[in-house]
Amino acid sequence: DAKTTQPNSMESNEEEPVHLPCNHSTISGTDYIHWYRQLPSQGPEYVIHGLTSNVNNRMASLAIAEDRKSSTLILHRATLRDAAVYYCILRDEYTGANSKLTFGKGITLSVRP
Amino acid sequence: NAGVMQNPRHLVRRRGQEARLRCSPMKGHSHVYWYRQLPEEGLKFMVYLQKENIIDESGMPKERFSAEFPKEGPSILRIQQVVRGDSAAYFCASSQGVADGYTFGSGTRLTVV
Repeated sequence: DAKTTQPNSMESNEEEPVHLPCNHSTISGTDYIHWYRQLPSQGPEYVIHGLTSNVNNRMASLAIAEDRKSSTLILHRATLRDAAVYYCILRDEYTGANSKLTFGKGITLSVRP
Repeated sequence: NAGVMQNPRHLVRRRGQEARLRCSPMKGHSHVYWYRQLPEEGLKFMVYLQKENIIDESGMPKERFSAEFPKEGPSILRIQQVVRGDSAAYFCASSQGVADGYTFGSGTRLTVV
């Protein structure tokens, strides 16, 4: 799997938007961009994924650069429950047995009340 | 839908004993993945199984660790002759298809004393 680069940590204020960046300059044409998050003492949780177009769901939005070398996860209104480690992962979904998710260090998001 | 069920949530074993960790995937999911998270570290892939088959075990230690996903019943991660270094959180995930998102369980926290 191609590698991603994320800042180690970010702080935000409650009820404000949060933009979590991810660089993936070596992304290939068949790599999907996945985001998962892990709340303290819990298993990871799927957030969103996309290929080329921006994506929205009830949890977040994913903005993908035109050249696909970077992306941004957007939490529109951070809550204290959004404090977690957020993982940006590239996944080639055409390789069958090699489709496993490979987690990096992620970015630790802290939310101030 | 109860989601991915892992049990036990906490497991304490003395050095040299065996640990058996169970994972029941979501209903309709035939792909199971095991990950290990050492204290203060990231999630490391261990093994990917489909019913009765090991697809990718590239992350499994060569000795003492084994995994199975029988035709009937949960997936089992077995650690023989546990050592202190095996103390970690073990997470199981399942997916419906090879390109689908993962649903993770809450993990089993193994402590070796």
